[in-house]
Amino acid sequence: DADVTQTPRNRITKTGKRIMLECSQTKGHDRMYWYRQDPGLGLRLIYYSFDVKDINKGEISDGYSVSRQAQAKFSLSLESAIPNQTALYFCATSDTRQGQNTEAFFGQGTRLTVV
Amino acid sequence: QQQVKQSPQSLIVQKGGISIINCAYENTAFDYFPWYQQFPGKGPALLIAIRPDVSEKKEGRFTISFNKSAKQFSLHIMDSQPGDSATYFCAASFSGGYNKLIFGAGTRLAVHP
Repeated sequence: DADVTQTPRNRITKTGKRIMLECSQTKGHDRMYWYRQDPGLGLRLIYYSFDVKDINKGEISDGYSVSRQAQAKFSLSLESAIPNQTALYFCATSDTRQGQNTEAFFGQGTRLTVV
Repeated sequence: QQQVKQSPQSLIVQKGGISIINCAYENTAFDYFPWYQQFPGKGPALLIAIRPDVSEKKEGRFTISFNKSAKQFSLHIMDSQPGDSATYFCAASFSGGYNKLIFGAGTRLAVHP
């Protein structure tokens, strides 16, 4: 089983619909992230969380919201989907060692198409 | 100042050749520079990473060269193989910043047999 699991893997939705992307992890990491990948733009950070009480906006948070239901679960919601939110979405986790940044582990991704 | 600029956008290399991907950054607070490899349909996976206290790190056929004064770092893939064909992302982050990764735009590498 994958350490970072995203559901669904693919989703097509209509403009204006609410949609939730889910992420769960078994790595025991405190930090969780949602990134968006677009061709030619790399990955951009949407939201990040240090624990269930800590939610922070990333570079491109407009139009998105998140919920950290437990240490292992971090969900991303599009309240009213629009076509330019069509992208590949990744959840990631990471840990720290002695205050230093370490490897981030990514899920398999969710390909979202808004029509 | 938060940007990481990556080049080239795409790269074609013959089997056995050297693949070189370059990245440049502005924020001198960055202190962690990873490279991620992504295959189609998969999430990015860490390939190799460097911290600014060293100028080079090698792991097998993969080497990061780091130039702190020029604020540049590069990935060298020696003896490139068709199995190395993937998209490569450089990234940067700084301690105390929740390990928020700032990614380059990516380089699509194709290694031809």
